[in-house]
Amino acid sequence: AIQLTQSPSSLSASVGDRVTITCRASQDISSNLAWHQQKPGKPPKALIYGASSLESGVPSRFSGSGSGTDFTLAISSLQPEDFGTYYCQQFKTYPITFGQGTRVEIK
Amino acid sequence: EVQLVESGGGLGQPGGSLRLSCTASGFTFSSYSLSWVRQFPGKGLEWISYISSSSSTVYYADSVKGRFTISRDNAKNSLYLQMNSLRVEDTAVYYCARVQGTHPHPWGQGTLVTVSS
Repeated sequence: AIQLTQSPSSLSASVGDRVTITCRASQDISSNLAWHQQKPGKPPKALIYGASSLESGVPSRFSGSGSGTDFTLAISSLQPEDFGTYYCQQFKTYPITFGQGTRVEIK
Repeated sequence: EVQLVESGGGLGQPGGSLRLSCTASGFTFSSYSLSWVRQFPGKGLEWISYISSSSSTVYYADSVKGRFTISRDNAKNSLYLQMNSLRVEDTAVYYCARVQGTHPHPWGQGTLVTVSS
């Protein structure tokens, strides 16, 4: 199975900061990567698919980039509602796999 | 509005069985593939099963292969997960999700399965 490694595991940032989360795949997955956001007590919510395409309704401050094995989720200006845990997910091959998550806290 | 509502979770005995259901609304159910994903108490996510729109293709994670069976009833807008030979390590919140292209979107609210004697 393809392994996804996210870094950092957690971060704390101030409102207005630019935040980046990286996801590294154990083998080439082309652009077959999605990012999900999860808030406490809620199910995950898809933010980005195809490495860089924004799901409908997702604010434009979120962006994704990368291909092959290295990917990045960026939040251009962190907002209070952006707290939560972010997961990358590959869909190059089954079994679909997820990264271990990055917890984002607001300072 | 697209909605997915899971049910059937609860306390199961090791070696026992549970059947989860997921009822969908707000979209043409028969046109979409679906998946089950679980989240362990430590918060990690594990995809466990996929079923195509016509049920012709199914996939399972190795961790559940031979024990869990995914199925759907397009006439009832419902997805199922038959869970047999339950293990303590199956304890998790189980989510159903529509497969939007190749990723889960949206997800249901989840149902908690606890396996304990």
